[in-house]
Amino acid sequence: NAGVTQTPKFRVLKTGQSMTLLCAQDMNHEYMYWYRQDPGMGLRLIHYSVGEGTTAKGEVPDGYNVSRLKKQNFLLGLESAAPSQTSVYFCASSYDITTMNTEAFFGQGTRLTVV
Amino acid sequence: AQSVAQPEDQVNVAEGNPLTVKCTYSVSGNPYLFWYVQYPNRGLQFLLKYITGDNLVKGSYGFEAEFNKSQTSFHLKKPSALVSDSALYFCAVRDLNSGGYQKVTFGTGTKLQVIP
Repeated sequence: NAGVTQTPKFRVLKTGQSMTLLCAQDMNHEYMYWYRQDPGMGLRLIHYSVGEGTTAKGEVPDGYNVSRLKKQNFLLGLESAAPSQTSVYFCASSYDITTMNTEAFFGQGTRLTVV
Repeated sequence: AQSVAQPEDQVNVAEGNPLTVKCTYSVSGNPYLFWYVQYPNRGLQFLLKYITGDNLVKGSYGFEAEFNKSQTSFHLKKPSALVSDSALYFCAVRDLNSGGYQKVTFGTGTKLQVIP
């Protein structure tokens, strides 16, 4: 059981470049989330999705876009990377309708550096 | 607005001694509280949660947490610390009736260092 898988694990971007982070979950969860983790600031929600085809803004959405075309995948895009987006990004999923389990499961993270 | 405070950036404890990682919260309604652990270069792992009922909640790896409504606290505890418990611990809260994890507020984390 893979759980939540994020790719890539590490990436260095130049300012202005674009990239897409991929999150895949195999637990048939309804909800998926993208967080960023910065020192001393805990986790902050970027965007989330409550089902296939839906997305919504979180606490810090500026500079990011997301898509959830398939239930198991949640993509996070950076159109024009900025040094302020240097962070560790975590994907998470939750809510199994079958079991009603609401615990969140997190991926291993993507360490992104923008130079 | 809801909030979570973890007043200690780091907690040091000797192996075999009891450990406590502190958490206080603020939420408008009834709280739904969580503890997560993060090992180096890994994602967060769920430890335990409090919804209602017994104020002492038992979780994974021998951890437990005590909910105290009057002090709005949810401290994480373990009777005997192991070196392998060394990690970053996050407390989180949401209003019980507010919906899914998009409404969860995470604390800033407490680094636990267990000294052999």
